Amino acid sequence: RKEVEQDPGPFNVPEGATVAFNCTYSNSASQSFFWYRQDCRKEPKLLMSVYSSGNEDGRFTAQLNRASQYISLLIRDSKLSDSATYLCVVNTADSWGKFQFGAGTQVVVTP
Amino acid sequence: DGGITQSPKYLFRKEGQNVTLSCEQNLNHDAMYWYRQDPGQGLRLIYYSQIVNDFQKGDIAEGYSVSREKKESFPLTVTSAQKNPTAFYLCASSTGQGPYEQYFGPGTRLTVT
Repeated sequence: RKEVEQDPGPFNVPEGATVAFNCTYSNSASQSFFWYRQDCRKEPKLLMSVYSSGNEDGRFTAQLNRASQYISLLIRDSKLSDSATYLCVVNTADSWGKFQFGAGTQVVVTP
Repeated sequence: DGGITQSPKYLFRKEGQNVTLSCEQNLNHDAMYWYRQDPGQGLRLIYYSQIVNDFQKGDIAEGYSVSREKKESFPLTVTSAQKNPTAFYLCASSTGQGPYEQYFGPGTRLTVT
């Protein structure tokens, strides 16, 4: 079983709609969590860190469910520019070297 | 502008040749990382380093080598021992303190034929 798993998608979303997707992780000792955005053939860019209480950044909301070991990302009022692959990243120890990456969820926003 | 630079963007090599990928950062970050990304897969850690002159193997270090002679620089050598070197290579850095958010360079696409 992979340490971090994501639904690869694609999630096809009409412009203006809401889309949400999850990422599950297997290591219950995982300490910190992140969502990155990766455009085709580009580097990943940090979208947001995920805090225990959940957090919001504009149209993006991230949640952490430690009991069920997953994090989620919700995108409201989707824009065409939101089309990308969203990577879930988990730090499996409170340390700088123990990051595990999911393979990503592709989101396609259509006009 | 602070950031991470990688060069070259595209690199082509013949099988059997060693090749070195450059990674430089001016973010004053302590930690630096090398990842490899293959189509449809997540990033896999090759090597990482927290301080100068110290580095550790990641999950797929075989066939790769690194050095960390300066805080700003963390070059990766892909040796001829690496069986499937064609991939997208990404360098990242982070501060040495939690939550250890990583920032990535633009990557180098290596093609070995």
